[in-house]
Amino acid sequence: SYELTQPPSVSVSPGQTARITCSGDALPKQYAYWYQQKPGQAPVLVIYKDSERPSGIPERFSGSSSGTTVTLTISGVQAEDEADYYCQSADSSGTYPLVFGGGTKLTVL
Amino acid sequence: QITLKESGPTLVKPTQTLTLTCTFSGFSLSTSGVGVGWIRQPPGKALEWLALIYWDDDKRYSPSLKSRLTITKDTSKNQVVLTMTNMDPVDTATYYCAHRRRSGSYYYFDYWGQGTLVTVSS
Repeated sequence: SYELTQPPSVSVSPGQTARITCSGDALPKQYAYWYQQKPGQAPVLVIYKDSERPSGIPERFSGSSSGTTVTLTISGVQAEDEADYYCQSADSSGTYPLVFGGGTKLTVL
Repeated sequence: QITLKESGPTLVKPTQTLTLTCTFSGFSLSTSGVGVGWIRQPPGKALEWLALIYWDDDKRYSPSLKSRLTITKDTSKNQVVLTMTNMDPVDTATYYCAHRRRSGSYYYFDYWGQGTLVTVSS
């Protein structure tokens, strides 16, 4: 199977920068996508194709890629950013065309 | 405006077959580059992708669940149906459908339904 690995939790104070990583062997060849999910709600796309931001997503959300790790960065974290964040990608062979990471709980202290 | 809504039973018994319907508006599954996917999330756990179907009837399934899943579309009704056989209590989850958009040669989910909780219990 193909796995994407995320830290279970990240904690930051308001106004600080949060960085959430996602690691996978195929990430140098496959784009990553990031979804935000608040309790009781459906996921919302916040980053696509590693670093593109959909319309309506605040500029404080950004994405980057380096080797087998992609990173979601939230600059100037706000209380409303507290949520679970999931990365999503695919393996390089096509066997696993869609895989989600295990999710990261972002806590705003 | 794109909207999707999942419907189906809230309770199924072990070994039964689950049939879920995703009814959508704001797009057509006959339009090139469009797809719909199903994703589930057990209570307190991570998202898990299940199946995809595209405008050209291309279908993809999670390798771990492929033998139990069937995805179909009814373009005239704007619906996508997912069936999952031999349900087990571990399949208890919120099931989401989502719109899949193409960007170049890549796809992503940009609109999601609200989800429907399915409990498997005797």
